[in-house]
Amino acid sequence: EAGVAQSPRYKIIEKRQSVAFWCNPISGHATLYWYQQILGQGPKLLIQFQNNGVVDDSQLPKDRFSAERLKGVDSTLKIQPAKLEDSAMYLCASSLALAGASGANVLTFGAGSRLTVL
Amino acid sequence: GQSLEQPSEVTAVEGAIVQINCTYQTSGFYGLSWYQQHDGGAPTFLSYNALDGLEETGRFSSFLSRSDSYGYLLLQELQMKDSASYFCAVRDGAVKTIFGAGTRLFVKA
Repeated sequence: EAGVAQSPRYKIIEKRQSVAFWCNPISGHATLYWYQQILGQGPKLLIQFQNNGVVDDSQLPKDRFSAERLKGVDSTLKIQPAKLEDSAMYLCASSLALAGASGANVLTFGAGSRLTVL
Repeated sequence: GQSLEQPSEVTAVEGAIVQINCTYQTSGFYGLSWYQQHDGGAPTFLSYNALDGLEETGRFSSFLSRSDSYGYLLLQELQMKDSASYFCAVRDGAVKTIFGAGTRLFVKA
């Protein structure tokens, strides 16, 4: 089974520029997540999709970040304009449809996109 | 609010047993997961506990006490390749999976 694909792997931009990251989840995975991981910290959930609908975006800085999953498959995360503090690894993950109360939502992560903002 | 606490670093010797603790506070709780992340790599799923007790998967075991809002990951017969960061994560209700800050495990020869 193919894993979660992400691109680009690395991106260096200057502050106030824009950047977009792409993610293609595992086939059949209805739930897609974007996490931000700053070096030395745990992943922070930015946005979570169930098919093409948003189920949580409470920690997404909506003034500069946007994400879409138009056809319920692949997804794009955009940052515009970027700030220095956006330097981080952006991890996309996917899982099967949300499990019931006793089920594990096993997240499969992509290799990530490392962003450096200068 | 939501919070997960785990030690920032743990050091152990090859062949030993190490326990990484996690305490959590969430508005809703469905289960506790553990993920491993090597430097430069992506987090990978290790285990999940929805109910109290111990779950064993090879050299790794995970424990949960819902009444104490506490869990731990137990790694036995440590190997050098186990040097990595370990994250506990909670299902906060039916939807969100929230990660802790991670515990960096150093395994010494």
